[in-house]
Amino acid sequence: ETGVTQTPRHLVMGMTNKKSLKCEQHLGHNAMYWYKQSAKKPLELMFVYNFKEQTENNSVPSRFSPECPNSSHLFLHLHTLQPEDSALYLCASSPWGGPLGNEQFFGPGTRLTVL
Amino acid sequence: AQSVTQLGSHVSVSEGALVLLRCNYSSSVPPYLFWYVQYPNQGLQLLLKYTTGATLVKGINGFEAEFKKSETSFHLTKPSAHMSDAAEYFCAVSEKGAQKLVFGQGTRLTINP
Repeated sequence: ETGVTQTPRHLVMGMTNKKSLKCEQHLGHNAMYWYKQSAKKPLELMFVYNFKEQTENNSVPSRFSPECPNSSHLFLHLHTLQPEDSALYLCASSPWGGPLGNEQFFGPGTRLTVL
Repeated sequence: AQSVTQLGSHVSVSEGALVLLRCNYSSSVPPYLFWYVQYPNQGLQLLLKYTTGATLVKGINGFEAEFKKSETSFHLTKPSAHMSDAAEYFCAVSEKGAQKLVFGQGTRLTINP
């Protein structure tokens, strides 16, 4: 595998389910991100991790719980979601402190539908 | 706080015509600037970026963008549109030394045959 991979690509869940999204980067980066992309809203940054430590949480509801066990893996644990949480969830990674700009590399996303 | 404005949520051009997607940013210092493209059911892919040096930046698929500090703009152009260019395009900015990208709302490009 190369680049940033995300699994599953599609997920349908009920409001009482618990599920997890997985992201893995094969680029040797130290920073990882979760974004939410809804149909009628700009790309929303949710969480940022640097060297496994969370450095940003953009007021995300607690029903979204991120986990970063190492610099290559990032999870988003989901529980008791609402229908308005249906969206494309994108994972990205970047080198930390790079001198040439904060270029982020994105995965293909997980299309989440909450029933 | 920084912000990015993309003029026009939808742009439609004919195949072979010039593509012009507009992006303006608000920043007190020259930032790093990016254009990303998103094809249906895919993640974002970097088209090009400006960090320093030459203000006219060439990217993939024949796209280019020019950083104009006086106008706080970074418009994306392509001389001749191709059907495969139909996608959503995002402009993004980050301050030097900062990690976070701030994205514009996106522009959906449609190519008419």
